[in-house]
This record gives sequence, structure tokens and C-alpha cells, in this order.
Amino acid sequence: QVQLKESGPGPVQPSETLSLTCTVSGFSLTSYGVNWVRQPPGKGLEWMGRMRYNGDTSYNSALKSRLSISRDTSKNQVFLKMNSLQTDDTGTYYCTREKIRPYFDYWGQGVMVTVSS
Amino acid sequence: DVQMTQSPSYLAASPGESVSISCKASKSISNNLAWYQEKPGKANKLLIHSGSTLQSGTPSRFSGSGSGTDFTLTIRSLESEDFAVYYCQQYNEYPPTFGAGTKLELK
Repeated sequence: QVQLKESGPGPVQPSETLSLTCTVSGFSLTSYGVNWVRQPPGKGLEWMGRMRYNGDTSYNSALKSRLSISRDTSKNQVFLKMNSLQTDDTGTYYCTREKIRPYFDYWGQGVMVTVSS
Repeated sequence: DVQMTQSPSYLAASPGESVSISCKASKSISNNLAWYQEKPGKANKLLIHSGSTLQSGTPSRFSGSGSGTDFTLTIRSLESEDFAVYYCQQYNEYPPTFGAGTKLELK
């Protein structure tokens, strides 16, 4: 069945770079896109960016200067890297699947990222 | 960015009742709207896309309506498993944006 699972480093210090991995199963990254969505504690959902099925990427302009999304199709993994972390980057980070339009038919359970000194 | 305004933020109801959640877009998004359900410890679930198309596996007591700027999620004959947080999301233009959520609680 379709599954997405986020993994990451746990606590991160301010100004450091966040690296997250989304490992997928049950579908091919060359047929579906993967998006990253985050949610600060007690706040709403924010779309961060996407890796399309064809390898193209799109980013939220608010994060574009700090964000990079890549993939390894042989390992069924999509990667998020975001630099210059601040405390307001604390939150739960989700990877999600899209087919053609950017609505998300499957979500990972999310990974909590805490930015703190 | 397209702003999505959900109301109410909180809603208390009893099993068997029907409820409606509103989602308003700051500009027309055609029918490019999705609804999601969030429950503790579970992955978010897509309920409806294209404004009114039920995702496979979504019970028929859920329905979506609207187009342009005004949308509604209706749940008929609430069941215990329906008490959750609901989000709308527009995907008419980038970046995709979400409503702030509606928490449906047991009365």
C-alpha cells in the first residue's frame, strides 16, 4: 500500500541546516510528485515546495532562498534541505503525494523538528 | 497568495447530527478545493477534491459544494469517528494554501 515516512535529525540549533528524508513505498516517484508541508505548533499548514514526477521542483517564494528539494528515485526517497533555521521553523514537517494537481491523496505521519539553542 | 478563511474554528455536535463547515477564498479558485481530516496519531486524510468529488474511501455522509470563492463541507449523521480537525486547501494557484482548520468536537 502507499506509504510515506519522514525522518530527520531531531533537535536543530538556530542557523543550522535542516535535512529531512521522505521514504516512499507503494508508488513510483517517476509517476507521482511529493510535496513538503509544515505546521508550526498551534498554527496552520504551510506548503513548502514540491518535487514533481518529472524531476521539476517548485518552492514557496517565502522559503525559496533557504529551501532545496531533491530526490533519489533508486532509493524511493525525496530530500528537503533548509538552511539558516530559526526558532519559528519549529513544527511538524510532512511529506505528501500528489498526482497531477497539488492536492494530496496521501500524507506521512510527520516528523517534529525543534529549533532551539 | 490566496487566503483561505474557514469558519467556524470550533464546532460542537452530537452523533447523528449534521454539520457544515465554510471555507472562503480571497479570490476565485474555480472548483480547485480539497478538504482534509486530521486525527491524532493518524496521517491526514484527503476527503474531497475538486470541490465536491469524494476521494475513494470517503463515506457518502461527507459532501462538498461550492465554486468560485465559497465552499462548504457537510457531514450528515455524524459518527464518533468524525470528530476531528478539518482543513480546506486551494490548489488553483501557487502556492497552495490552507484554511486554519475547524475542530469538530463531541458535545
